[in-house]
Amino acid sequence: GQSLEQPSEVTAVEGAIVQINCTYQTSGFYGLSWYQHHDGGAPTFLSYNALDGLEETGRFSSFLSRSDSYGYLLLQELQMKDSASYFCALNRDDKIIFGKGTRLHILP
Amino acid sequence: NAGVTQTPKFRVLKTGQSMTLLCAQDMNHEYMYWYRQDPGMGLRLIHYSVGEGTTAKGEVPDGYNVSRLKKQNFLLGLESAAPSQTSVYFCASSYGTGSYNEQFFGPGTRLTVL
Repeated sequence: GQSLEQPSEVTAVEGAIVQINCTYQTSGFYGLSWYQHHDGGAPTFLSYNALDGLEETGRFSSFLSRSDSYGYLLLQELQMKDSASYFCALNRDDKIIFGKGTRLHILP
Repeated sequence: NAGVTQTPKFRVLKTGQSMTLLCAQDMNHEYMYWYRQDPGMGLRLIHYSVGEGTTAKGEVPDGYNVSRLKKQNFLLGLESAAPSQTSVYFCASSYGTGSYNEQFFGPGTRLTVL
């Protein structure tokens, strides 16, 4: 089977940096994805790590370590609009398995 | 391009009623998915399709049926709605399997079963 664990909530200050961790247990997968979801909207794709290491896309970076069964999403220069839920997800076979999500609260 | 669209956006049903949720995509994607999102539970896969005429069960398929008669449409049916099916339902599509498999989501349907 497979499962992903991520914190249910994280709070950070505008302009700061925040890291959202994701640990997983699975028998095999292609890579680790991250999605952002604002309340009332559609979840949107943020990043994908097929290989170990860091992937950077603007203010967002994502990291994967297969040996540690661990990944994280790093958000820099936080803006109020980054207040949302963030899901890590395992890409495997012909579907994606999502974690339960981390709600990010940003304080002014 | 509209991307992924879902109808209706909101619906209230009484226990035992039936309904169909429609998902449409204009990106010529092979794969389509139905998820439900409940507080603290994340996105759970109900059913999915890897191509026109195919369907497969996901993590929580009981009480739901699906059909993919046309490549661009994926229908989710509730035969006899129950209060436990109160949820937000998301449809998604993607080009296909393999490593990347970025999913494109619709705006969701908020369903309440009384």
